[in-house]
Amino acid sequence: GENVEQHPSTLSVQEGDSAVIKCTYSDSASNYFPWYKQELGKGPQLIIDIRSNVGEKKDQRIAVTLNKTAKHFSLHITETQPEDSAVYFCAASAPYSGAGSYQLTFGKGTKLSVIP
Amino acid sequence: EPEVTQTPSHQVTQMGQEVILRCVPISNHLYFYWYRQILGQKVEFLVSFYNNEISEKSEIFDDQFSVERPDGSNFTLKIRSTKLEDSAMYFCASSEAPYPGTGELFFGEGSRLTVL
Repeated sequence: GENVEQHPSTLSVQEGDSAVIKCTYSDSASNYFPWYKQELGKGPQLIIDIRSNVGEKKDQRIAVTLNKTAKHFSLHITETQPEDSAVYFCAASAPYSGAGSYQLTFGKGTKLSVIP
Repeated sequence: EPEVTQTPSHQVTQMGQEVILRCVPISNHLYFYWYRQILGQKVEFLVSFYNNEISEKSEIFDDQFSVERPDGSNFTLKIRSTKLEDSAMYFCASSEAPYPGTGELFFGEGSRLTVL
C-alpha cells in the first residue's frame, strides 16, 4: 500500500519568513495530493491540492509543487503570519478504483509555529 | 459554511466496554468515512460508506468495529469491546463525490476516545 513520509515534524519560523514542508510517497499510481491544516481542537481542513498532471499550483501565499519522477511534493507558505500556526498534513490518493470511495494516506504532520 | 459535526468530543471508557461515536455529515453528501489518529501518529483510514454499505475498509477495521447510518442524518462508528490500543482521536468525514480531487473530504472536529 501507499506510504507517505513528511518532514520536518516541527518547524518554527519568524513572521514574514517562508515555510516549506516536504512529503514523499511510495505508490507511483497515486495521482492526487491534498494538504490539510489542522488548528487546535479542530478537524483537518483542506487548504490546497494538486493532481499529478500539474507540477505546481498556487493560491495566494500557499503553493504546492509536485515531482512525479522523484515522488515528492512540497507545501510552500510565503510571508507567514501567526495565524498560519497549526499542524499541516500532506496526503496522497490513488486513482478512483470504482469501489465507491477514495481513501487518503496521510503523512505524520508538521507542527508549524510562526513567531511574531 | 456547512460542517461535519461529531459527538462526543471526548469519551473515557473502561476496557471491554462498547462505545458509539456519532457523526452528522454535511447534508447533501453521500460518501462517509471514519479515520483515526493515535496520539503522535498518522491519520489512518478506517472505513468508507456509501449507499448504506461499506465501500472499503482497512485492516484496522476488524470485527470489533461496525458502522451504521441509522437514519437520514447520523453516521455512527461502534467499537464493540474496546481495547487500550483503541485510544485515539476518531475523525468522521464526508464528501459529495467519490473521486479524488473532485469530492473534497470535509472532516469533523474529532472524538477523542480514551480507554482505561
